[in-house]
Amino acid sequence: GQQLNQSPQSMFIQEGEDVSMNCTSSSIFNTWLWYKQDPGEGPVLLIALYKAGELTSNGRLTAQFGITRKDSFLNISASIPSDVGIYFCAGQLKGAQKLVFGQGTRLTINP
Amino acid sequence: DAGVIQSPRHEVTEMGQEVTLRCKPISGHNSLFWYRQTMMRGLELLIYFNNNVPIDDSGMPEDRFSAKMPNASFSTLKIQPSEPRDSAVYFCASSLDGWREKLFFGSGTQLSVL
Repeated sequence: GQQLNQSPQSMFIQEGEDVSMNCTSSSIFNTWLWYKQDPGEGPVLLIALYKAGELTSNGRLTAQFGITRKDSFLNISASIPSDVGIYFCAGQLKGAQKLVFGQGTRLTINP
Repeated sequence: DAGVIQSPRHEVTEMGQEVTLRCKPISGHNSLFWYRQTMMRGLELLIYFNNNVPIDDSGMPEDRFSAKMPNASFSTLKIQPSEPRDSAVYFCASSLDGWREKLFFGSGTQLSVL
């Protein structure tokens, strides 16, 4: 079953706005990853987080590994049209050799 | 650099037919993963190879699905016989070594079983 709750499921914003999405779980994770998927393509890694509390930026993107190790968020500042796509969180459960994916957040930007 | 290469990009077949999906991982990567993506279930891991050996196949739906990795540069996912509920996008991904390393995904195979 699904062990990651990703929200929101979809977002409709104006160009230039900031975006925030998150993933939560009742389980503890060793690793959090954020991917973006464009139509007709596979997910592409945006940011990888390996330690609780870690805050990492990649250009306009910032992600954090929650202190409790049960959540993570992704922020996008000053959104642009090419940010459109589906964003997935993924995590490696403590003690498991497996990556679990969230259901995705579909981002739509009105120019 | 070439990424993960999957073929075909699209496959349309009739129920009962055999389907073979192919994947070439990034050169030098020791781990290979097959995922299936559907609207209802999202991204699901089917099977994971490390150094050409299947490590976790608990996600393989049933006996109709099989995967092989005869060498470090090639893997196949076979469905026989195919059913309409197998329709999905199938992704192959590779990493340098296991789950802690970053996964690089191919462009996927869009499978439609009629």
